Amino acid sequence: AIQLTQSPSSLSASVGDRVTITCRASQGIGSGLAWYQQKPGNAPKLLIYDVSSLQSGVPSSFSGSGSGTEFTLTISSLQPEDFATYYCQQFSGYPPTFGGGTKVEIK
Amino acid sequence: QFQLVQSGAEVKKPGASVKVSCRASGYTFNRHGITWVRQAPGQGLEWMGWISPYNGYTKYVERFQGRATMTTDTSTSTVYMELRSLTSEDTAVYYCAREPIAAAAKPYYMDVWGKGTTVTVSS
Repeated sequence: AIQLTQSPSSLSASVGDRVTITCRASQGIGSGLAWYQQKPGNAPKLLIYDVSSLQSGVPSSFSGSGSGTEFTLTISSLQPEDFATYYCQQFSGYPPTFGGGTKVEIK
Repeated sequence: QFQLVQSGAEVKKPGASVKVSCRASGYTFNRHGITWVRQAPGQGLEWMGWISPYNGYTKYVERFQGRATMTTDTSTSTVYMELRSLTSEDTAVYYCAREPIAAAAKPYYMDVWGKGTTVTVSS
């Protein structure tokens, strides 16, 4: 199975900060990558699919990029509602797999 | 409004089985695959398997092969996930989620999620 390694596993940031989360795949996954946001007690929410396509209704402050084995999720200006855990997911290889998550906390 | 409504929390004893339901509404049920994902307490997300309501085709992660069964009831737009021979390691929140690709032949990403069903396995 393709392994996804997210870094960092947690970070502290302030409102207005630019935040970047990295997801590295154990082998090339083309464009088969999605990002989710999960808040405590809630189901995950799709943010980005196909590496860089923004899901409908998601603020444009979220963006995704990357290719091959290295991908990033960027939040251009962190808002109070963005404090959550973020997961990447690959769907290029079988089985689909998730990264271990990155918890974004308030500094 | 696309929606997935899951069944309520379950408490089971080790060795028992659990069957979780996921009823879809707001879209053409048999056009979109459903994935099951679980999350153990304080842990990350684990992809379990996928079913195509279009043709009943299923795919399971190897560790659940033979222990999990996913089925559909098109008359009620409901997907079921049964997990047998439960152990304490199966204590988790189980989510169903829809994939947005119509008539897909394989699992992709998920755009609509149920609220989750908590399954607790305890003697």
